[in-house]
Amino acid sequence: DVKVTQSSRYLVKRTGEKVFLECVQDMDHENMFWYRQDPGLGLRLIYFSYDVKMKEKGDIPEGYSVSREKKERFSLILESASTNQTSMYLCASSSLADTGELFFGEGSRLTVL
Amino acid sequence: GIQVEQSPPDLILQEGANSTLRCNFSDSVNNLQWFHQNPWGQLINLFYIPSGTKQNGRLSATTVATERYSLLYISSSQTTDSGVYFCAVHSSASKIIFGSGTRLSIRP
Repeated sequence: DVKVTQSSRYLVKRTGEKVFLECVQDMDHENMFWYRQDPGLGLRLIYFSYDVKMKEKGDIPEGYSVSREKKERFSLILESASTNQTSMYLCASSSLADTGELFFGEGSRLTVL
Repeated sequence: GIQVEQSPPDLILQEGANSTLRCNFSDSVNNLQWFHQNPWGQLINLFYIPSGTKQNGRLSATTVATERYSLLYISSSQTTDSGVYFCAVHSSASKIIFGSGTRLSIRP
């Protein structure tokens, strides 16, 4: 079974802190994604990566950066957390060679005070 | 871009009832998936179904790609079926559009 693991289920941070959200997948997937989910706004794509060191901006990249140094790991970075980044963050992965089926991690609920 | 609409937005049923959730999309798509978001927030894969019909236990799904809709059927509902059901359509590897979801509440 595909497993996508997010490092923290719940985080509480203060405004201005640097925040790292880590995501690891064990199925050798080329594609990895970071989404945020907010009530009434659905799932919105922050960043997408299709290969090591490659990334594309999604719909809402402002205030975020990403890192993909290894194929299995995709990190989301909030350089200076703000209260409007309080949200549920969801990591996902999919294979280029296969059907492209998307698999999600458990989610990380971030609260910025 | 592609629009994805799910209906109904909310559904409340008694345990044991059957339900049908619908997903309409506005253009041709490569793939379609159904997910269940559990109370803890995780999105669980239910079906990968670009066309045709699939069944998994009490759940089944049908996608009619030529008419641009997909249906998710849940039979003999259980309280553990509660949560939000999303469909997502893939127009490319990176372009995946989610519907706004159907919130299902199963009462004992």
